[in-house]
Amino acid sequence: EFVLAQSPGTLSLSPGERATLSCRASQSISSDYLAWYQQKPGQAPRLLIYGASSRAIGIPDRFGGSGSGTDFTLTISRLEPEDFAVYYCQYYGTSAIFTFGPGTKVDIK
Amino acid sequence: QITLKESGPTLVKPTQTLTLTCMFSGFSLSTSGVGVGWIRQPPGKALEWLALIYWDDDKRYRPSLKSRLTITKDTSKNQVVLTMTNMDPVDTATYYCAHSPSSSSYANWGQGTLVTVSS
Repeated sequence: EFVLAQSPGTLSLSPGERATLSCRASQSISSDYLAWYQQKPGQAPRLLIYGASSRAIGIPDRFGGSGSGTDFTLTISRLEPEDFAVYYCQYYGTSAIFTFGPGTKVDIK
Repeated sequence: QITLKESGPTLVKPTQTLTLTCMFSGFSLSTSGVGVGWIRQPPGKALEWLALIYWDDDKRYRPSLKSRLTITKDTSKNQVVLTMTNMDPVDTATYYCAHSPSSSSYANWGQGTLVTVSS
């Protein structure tokens, strides 16, 4: 069974700090189909990154995605107050099935 | 501007069938490559993908729920309908519909609708 694991579960940081979030796939995947979302309490998820490294429309350039194979990273270069949220990675894989990771919560230290 | 909105019952009884409708605007589900999917989120838990329907009527389902799910579209009405049979309290969740412009991610989401399964 294909699984996405995200780490850490919770990341406690201060505004202005750099956040590095990890998404690890249980098998090697195409970076073309790896996406990242941000979700704030009571809101729908918002697409941040698609194709592992392409920012979605309107996403600030402090958000960056990278990785290949089984290891992918979402980096927030300098945390703004509005960036404290839960982040999910997602893969579109074999047989057009989508898989979401369990999420990483970024909270204020 | 692309918008999506989910509608349906807020409360269903165990064993009943849930029917949710997604009304959308700002795109056409007859455009090549476009899809509309359903994703749910139990309270306090992670996102769980359920189903997707493509512009060409190709349909995909979460394998573990495939026997309970049906997704259909009405292109002329700009709507997508998801039915889930034999509802159980563990199906209590916020259900989202979302627009996939390129089949590999969801660029636009509805606000979600909370469905509670309880007798």
